[in-house]
Amino acid sequence: SQQGEEDPQALSIQEGENATMNCSYKTSINNLQWYRQNSGRGLVHLILIRSNEREKHSGRLRVTLDTSKKSSSLLITASRAADTASYFCAHSISSGSARQLTFGSGTQLTVLP
Amino acid sequence: DAGITQSPRHKVTETGTPVTLRCHQTENHRYMYWYRQDPGHGLRLIHYSYGVKDTDKGEVSDGYSVSRSKTEDFLLTLESATSSQTSVYFCAIRVDVVTEAFFGQGTRLTVV
Repeated sequence: SQQGEEDPQALSIQEGENATMNCSYKTSINNLQWYRQNSGRGLVHLILIRSNEREKHSGRLRVTLDTSKKSSSLLITASRAADTASYFCAHSISSGSARQLTFGSGTQLTVLP
Repeated sequence: DAGITQSPRHKVTETGTPVTLRCHQTENHRYMYWYRQDPGHGLRLIHYSYGVKDTDKGEVSDGYSVSRSKTEDFLLTLESATSSQTSVYFCAIRVDVVTEAFFGQGTRLTVV
């Protein structure tokens, strides 16, 4: 399976704390993307990092990418109760079935008020 | 929200019956995807399309077929539904292979 892995599977923190989620994948990639899913809803794109980038920021989000370790992390700073959701990483590979977009298994984040 | 509409949003069907789910987009994006989401498995790719009449299999394509006769519509068919196909199905679209995807709201399918 090309599916990536995420850890932890579940994370519970207090409001104001930082949340870090990790993602690993198995192949060479074009880019890595992070998505958010609120309960019962579709996924919403958060941030995309290209294979030649090492770090990217968007508001309270910080994403890192280590292609040598085939891993990425998503940091949410100063978390809020509204950040409670599932977070998924996804990647497009750099050859062969590049048209596919493969998702990890997700991290369920709970931010307690 | 990106212009993606999935129909129906909820469906209960009996084992052995055919079921067709529809994904309709108004964005004219080239790529369309069908995923299923099950607890503990995240999203798994069923089939995808890279143009009209151009489709390919994903990771979990057995028991499913797709068709794309128009840019805006991507149909997922379960020829003979089984209980293992009870799931939430998501459609996604994107412009090209290096951009982000936009998702529909999902279809909850229950096979009894």
